[in-house]
Amino acid sequence: AQSVTQLDSHVSVSEGTPVLLRCNYSSSYSPSLFWYVQHPNKGLQLLLKYTSAATLVKGINGFEAEFKKSETSFHLTKPSAHMSDAAEYFCVVSSMKTSYDKVIFGPGTSLSVIP
Amino acid sequence: GAVVSQHPSRVICKSGTSVKIECRSLDFQATTMFWYRQFPKQSLMLMATSNEGSKATYEQGVEKDKFLINHASLTLSTLTVTSAHPEDSSFYICSARNLAGGRETQYFGPGTRLLVL
Repeated sequence: AQSVTQLDSHVSVSEGTPVLLRCNYSSSYSPSLFWYVQHPNKGLQLLLKYTSAATLVKGINGFEAEFKKSETSFHLTKPSAHMSDAAEYFCVVSSMKTSYDKVIFGPGTSLSVIP
Repeated sequence: GAVVSQHPSRVICKSGTSVKIECRSLDFQATTMFWYRQFPKQSLMLMATSNEGSKATYEQGVEKDKFLINHASLTLSTLTVTSAHPEDSSFYICSARNLAGGRETQYFGPGTRLLVL
């Protein structure tokens, strides 16, 4: 069984300050982990993904995430927030066990950036 | 990179009519596609897993007779909302799984916004 928890439903930061969006997962198998961003009334955009290679994953727009197996975490960070980062962020877990495995979305974290 | 398209992007229909939404993987073959539903300000909820050449697997609480899924080819899955009602109004998103090279990659479509009057 797989599950994803995003501990904060809403995060607010000032422009230029660091961003931390937390994600914890549960998976019976070695998971693939993803972070997606969704701007208002738009589709999903992949920020980055972890698939058992390097534990520190760099994505687009300056975002990165670190896979920590001992903590079952995959937190998303960015050193300096930009106004355009305001959006909904989803942590996603999937397994490569079989082609029938599901992709599970976390509940999402809404990021606000204050000027 | 791989692209998944959805058609239409937006549809408005009258209550009681049926609406078909197409999901296509444009440059890879997808034996498995997924259909999600997203209500305003909520996360994506998996509705069903669509497997090419076989019946779809529906999540608990999703009516298979209301949300008909057909995965007739390796690049096309369709979701038909039958006898749509206002409560079916939502954002429907598909994704296609690419297992090429033994590495799993998930590609999402841009979504279809359905409004039932």
